[in-house]
Amino acid sequence: EVQLVESGGGLVKPGGSLRLSCAASGFTFSSYSMNWVRQAPGKGLEWVSSISGSSSYIYYADSMKGRFTISRDNAKKSLYLQMNSLRAEDTAVYYCARGTSQLLSWFDPWGQGTLVTVSS
Amino acid sequence: EIVLTQSPDTLSLSPGERATLSCRASQSVSSYLAWYQQKPGQAPRLLIYDASNRATGIPARFSGSGSGTDFTLTISSLEPKDFAVYYCQQRSNWPPTFGQGTRLEIE
Repeated sequence: EVQLVESGGGLVKPGGSLRLSCAASGFTFSSYSMNWVRQAPGKGLEWVSSISGSSSYIYYADSMKGRFTISRDNAKKSLYLQMNSLRAEDTAVYYCARGTSQLLSWFDPWGQGTLVTVSS
Repeated sequence: EIVLTQSPDTLSLSPGERATLSCRASQSVSSYLAWYQQKPGQAPRLLIYDASNRATGIPARFSGSGSGTDFTLTISSLEPKDFAVYYCQQRSNWPPTFGQGTRLEIE
């Protein structure tokens, strides 16, 4: 069974940092692009970042560029999101989602999400 | 970026009825459109990819159609478990974008 499990969320002060992790199982991790998508409380879905299977290609949403860093460790079957200079508007549930062999793809499946709250 | 506009924002129907949800793109996305279902407290689930292909395990009552800028998700006969929020997403151009969602509620 394909499974994605996020961790690392929590409460952080504005300007602080947090590192999210996503542990994958049930598929050949290195063959798939991986993504982070977030959802602010009561709001819709917002794409955050994507990384190709070999980490050769990386994309970020403009509002996260320079603050967030996506990475992956294929040996550990894990995806990461380093978030710096956090703002109140970054408060959201962050989902990790598998892509396809192509970098720009649909998302399937999704993890259960991890809540990040940025507040003083 | 490509803006996806879903309509209506809320759709009130009864079990057994047919649901038709729309997604319009600000420019052509060819057939590179997906649909997701999200229930309260859960992660989204892929229903349809590339406009008309059902994802693994998705029942046949869900179907997608369209190309270019206008797309439709149809649920042929609503079951109680289908009441949820539905999102469309394009993968034609960076960045991938989502519609604002359609809430399907029980009338």
